[in-house]
Parts: sequence; C-alpha cells; structure tokens
Amino acid sequence: DTGVSQDPRHKITKRGQNVTFRCDPISEHNRLYWYRQTLGQGPEFLTYFQNEAQLEKSRLLSDRFSAERPKGSFSTLEIQRTEQGDSAMYLCASSHGGNRGFVAFFGQGTRLTVV
Amino acid sequence: GQQLNQSPQSMFIQEGEDVSMNCTSSSIFNTWLWYKQEPGEGPVLLIALYKAGELTSNGRLTAQFGITRKDSFLNISASIPSDVGIYFCAGRIQGAQKLVFGQGTRLTINP
Repeated sequence: DTGVSQDPRHKITKRGQNVTFRCDPISEHNRLYWYRQTLGQGPEFLTYFQNEAQLEKSRLLSDRFSAERPKGSFSTLEIQRTEQGDSAMYLCASSHGGNRGFVAFFGQGTRLTVV
Repeated sequence: GQQLNQSPQSMFIQEGEDVSMNCTSSSIFNTWLWYKQEPGEGPVLLIALYKAGELTSNGRLTAQFGITRKDSFLNISASIPSDVGIYFCAGRIQGAQKLVFGQGTRLTINP
C-alpha cells in the first residue's frame, strides 16, 4: 500500500499525559499537513511542512502541540499535557509540488480519546 | 477566516435517486476539492477542480467549479448503497497551502 499511513489508529490516554502520533506520507510527496477533526465537523488545518521546513501553523496549534518532520519524510505530532478538549481525529495528508501540488491525500487518521 | 457553507447538512434518499449538494463561500477560491469520508476513516478524494467553470466527472459523480469562484456543487447520479457517507467540500485560496473544509453533507440511502 503506497498511501498515507498513520500510527496508531487509536489512542486512549489519561488527561495530563503526553502522546505522539506518526505519519508516513506518500513517498514522492514533499508536502505534509496535519489536520484535526472533531465529531460532526470538517477537518481543520493545524500545520504544514514542505520537506523538513514547517512553513505554517494554525492558531489551533497551542504551545502544547509540536510537530516535526526531521528528514523531510515521516512526521510526528506530539501533544503534551493532554486535555479532554484534545479528543479528536488527527489526520495527516500529503501532496506533491507543482501547480496541482495542493491536492491532498489523507491517511486513515489517529483517533485520540483523553479520559 | 475563510468559511465554507455546505448544504444540505444531511440527506435521506431512496436507492437509485440522484443527489445534489453544494458549497458556497464569501471568499474566492482557486481550487475546489470534494472528499468522501466513512466512519473511522480519513477523507478520500473524489474530484479536484482547478479553474472557474470547470465541470469534471468521476463515474457517477459530477462536480463543477462555479463561475464566480465562490461556489461548487457535487452531483451523484443513480445512488447506490455504497454511496453512504459524509461528503466534504474543501477549497484553497490563492497563495495558501491549507484547505478549508465545509461542515459536510451526511448521505443516508434507504434501500
């Protein structure tokens, strides 16, 4: 399978714990995005990487959130001191460069439940 | 910020019926995308539209990029049970990398 891969698919954590999610984009894609989706809503943009550079961050990305893409391939999203409001589906997407490089292909998501 | 208004929020139809849903915005978009999402899964790309007036089909699905660049519609013809899911429109404004999503249209099909 050569699509976007996310791990884990599900994560249950206690409030106050740290969690880390991983995303492996489509191999030839140099752009990688993180989105968050809460129940009944469309995905909301969190952050964007081009290769290893983090070029844009949403105001939704509080200082408890950090994302990295150290070698321009896979990416990690870490949430420190989780809160119940962090419960959501975290989606990763990737796209290639060029005129139509913004057409994003999504992974299956990581469902986070903070108890 | 930019917002997309997607309607209807939900649809209950009979198998075999045609479906139409749309998205509007107060902002001008350079790209419109339509995705389908099933429970517990990520959105799957259905159709991408790149210029005003463009009409594109993908099997029984047809989507159009509005002339004003502020709207788009998606039609599904002769619906079948596997069409059930939530359909999202997404748009990109010029110069931006992120997509802005609508609230989704939940499609339910009665056999």
